Amino acid sequence: GAVVSQHPSRVICKSGTSVKIECRSLDFQATTMFWYRQFPKQSLMLMATSNEGSKATYEQGVEKDKFLINHASLTLSTLTVTSAHPEDSSFYICSARGTGLAGGYSYNEQFFGPGTRLTVL
Amino acid sequence: GQNIDQPTEMTATEGAIVQINCTYQTSGFNGLFWYQQHAGEAPTFLSYNVLDGLEEKGRFSSFLSRSKGYSYLLLKELQMKDSASYLCAVRERSWGKLQFGAGTQVVVTP
Repeated sequence: GAVVSQHPSRVICKSGTSVKIECRSLDFQATTMFWYRQFPKQSLMLMATSNEGSKATYEQGVEKDKFLINHASLTLSTLTVTSAHPEDSSFYICSARGTGLAGGYSYNEQFFGPGTRLTVL
Repeated sequence: GQNIDQPTEMTATEGAIVQINCTYQTSGFNGLFWYQQHAGEAPTFLSYNVLDGLEEKGRFSSFLSRSKGYSYLLLKELQMKDSASYLCAVRERSWGKLQFGAGTQVVVTP
């Protein structure tokens, strides 16, 4: 249980285009989803936290108009990188936390998706 | 804010033991997590500590001392597949977000 998927796994786009990344919880209800960005050989940097049905909370320094987050259902959150530029090239990872989880998930664990590698040319 | 420090890289031979230390300074504390991340992949959960002491799970153990702001991850009987980055993450409050350290790259040599 507790599987999180991301789509696409890899995307290459031209500068100026927008890219949408989907994050889905497959076997549980994700009341909260987190979006991270990771540059090569660096740690995960939290971009934003989204709760189902409400606006995302962005971390300091993250442009909310550039990184649009939608969490319209308990199993799906999307991150749209608008007007992407080469400096947006990164590994984007979502994680989900929620209810309906079987087993010993008593510590509010986050489950990570497999990540999306974005390359902007 | 939070400071989470861990060594950048450690090297050990197959079959050996490696201990990865993590120190943290946070305004609150509601748990410390260890994750393993292979290159190009998402992190996978290894362990969770919220009370002082040692948590053992197979070849991996994690220790926490809240008074010292200190944790370590112990990897025993190292295997080549254990070569990965190990991330220490702290949660300040219940249901709060995780703050990650920079990660420790463990290299296992034959």
